[in-house]
Amino acid sequence: GQQLNQSPQSMFIQEGEDVSMNCTSSSIFNTWLWYKQDPGEGPVLLIALYKAGELTSNGRLTAQFGITRKDSFLNISASIPSDVGIYFCAGRNFGNEKLTFGTGTRLTIIP
Amino acid sequence: DAGVIQSPRHEVTEMGQEVTLRCKPISGHDYLFWYRQTMMRGLELLIYFNNNVPIDDSGMPEDRFSAKMPNASFSTLKIQPSEPRDSAVYFCASSEAGQLSYEQYFGPGTRLTVT
Repeated sequence: GQQLNQSPQSMFIQEGEDVSMNCTSSSIFNTWLWYKQDPGEGPVLLIALYKAGELTSNGRLTAQFGITRKDSFLNISASIPSDVGIYFCAGRNFGNEKLTFGTGTRLTIIP
Repeated sequence: DAGVIQSPRHEVTEMGQEVTLRCKPISGHDYLFWYRQTMMRGLELLIYFNNNVPIDDSGMPEDRFSAKMPNASFSTLKIQPSEPRDSAVYFCASSEAGQLSYEQYFGPGTRLTVT
């Protein structure tokens, strides 16, 4: 099935650093979502975006809906150990309940 | 609320055996989704239901896979006969109808190993 491309695939950062990751698609979406998956658990929704150009924050997390509707970005400020995990983007179109998931970005924090 | 409940959490079976995965969605949710996650293919949607009715099963790999939702609080995903390539983590997710239907809540998953 179709997948969204996320970059980078993995990140190794030090605690306190800011993190940026993105997600791109060959087709447009009307809704972009960002999920985080901890080891041994299911994905948990972090942020949802509904309009092109929209910028939404959730605590230290900020996500943007790209103007072309073919991409989205997620930033994490001042990373902490519990930010470790895999971050997935997902796209969705109106009238369609299906989500298309990205390939994931694995975040590791170096002590 | 207890969240989406899946059982078993781990399943190890031999090739050729029947496997049944179970899911209890969040009470009041109208949509139920079954996903499969592997390293090679990532998260794939297998099938989803709306009000217990299967809406899209285009992601079901082949006839060996079947899913049912006999009532609003229970769904099963069955693989018969199982094959080693079916080894994966299977997630169930549910969501409300309407504007919040995008917000899918995932269960903890069932890790299936077929030897």
